[in-house]
Amino acid sequence: GQQVMQIPQYQHVQEGEDFTTYCNSSTTLSNIQWYKQRPGGHPVFLIQLVKSGEVKKQKRLTFQFGEAKKNSSLHITATQTTDVGTYFCARNAGGTSYGKLTFGQGTILTVHP
Amino acid sequence: EAGVTQFPSHSVIEKGQTVTLRCDPISGHDNLYWYRRVMGKEIKFLLHFVKESKQDESGMPNNRFLAERTGGTYSTLKVQPAELEDSGVYFCASSQVFGAAGTGELFFGEGSRLTVL
Repeated sequence: GQQVMQIPQYQHVQEGEDFTTYCNSSTTLSNIQWYKQRPGGHPVFLIQLVKSGEVKKQKRLTFQFGEAKKNSSLHITATQTTDVGTYFCARNAGGTSYGKLTFGQGTILTVHP
Repeated sequence: EAGVTQFPSHSVIEKGQTVTLRCDPISGHDNLYWYRRVMGKEIKFLLHFVKESKQDESGMPNNRFLAERTGGTYSTLKVQPAELEDSGVYFCASSQVFGAAGTGELFFGEGSRLTVL
């Protein structure tokens, strides 16, 4: 199937350090979405990337979509304890299957104060 | 505006019993999705409703799972009979607009945690 591989599985950082999670696909992605799930919570949409080479920023979060549209990354600058959670990338099938997401395994981020 | 609501938040049942999960999407959202996360695994798509019609049910594991969305409002997901491997968190999500006309955002509910003993 058209899986999306996400690494690392876990990341432990000290507060103030940076964090990056990567998402890779063997096939070209029409778009990629990113979600955050707090411990015990539900996935919350962060962003959708559509264009090749796209870079979007949300405060301390920077999202990139690769030129070949086969990979994406989420980078957090100067992590805070509020950043704790699992970060998922997800491929959106598109067309009449829009909203049919194929999730990566997620990266669990812990931040030590 | 109320978000996606799911009931129950947690259900513990014996193997062989029946459980029905309910999802109320955000009002006005035609698209309703069911996803499942089994412990240690990724979140997986189960099915997609557009209003009351099943648009895609390719992710449903087997015929023990039945989803309905009568009247195009709330949806139910019934598992009958439940097996041990059905344990996990069942998420419902809804969205309003497809494609470039919207942000692509799916709004997820808090999930229903199912434990089959």
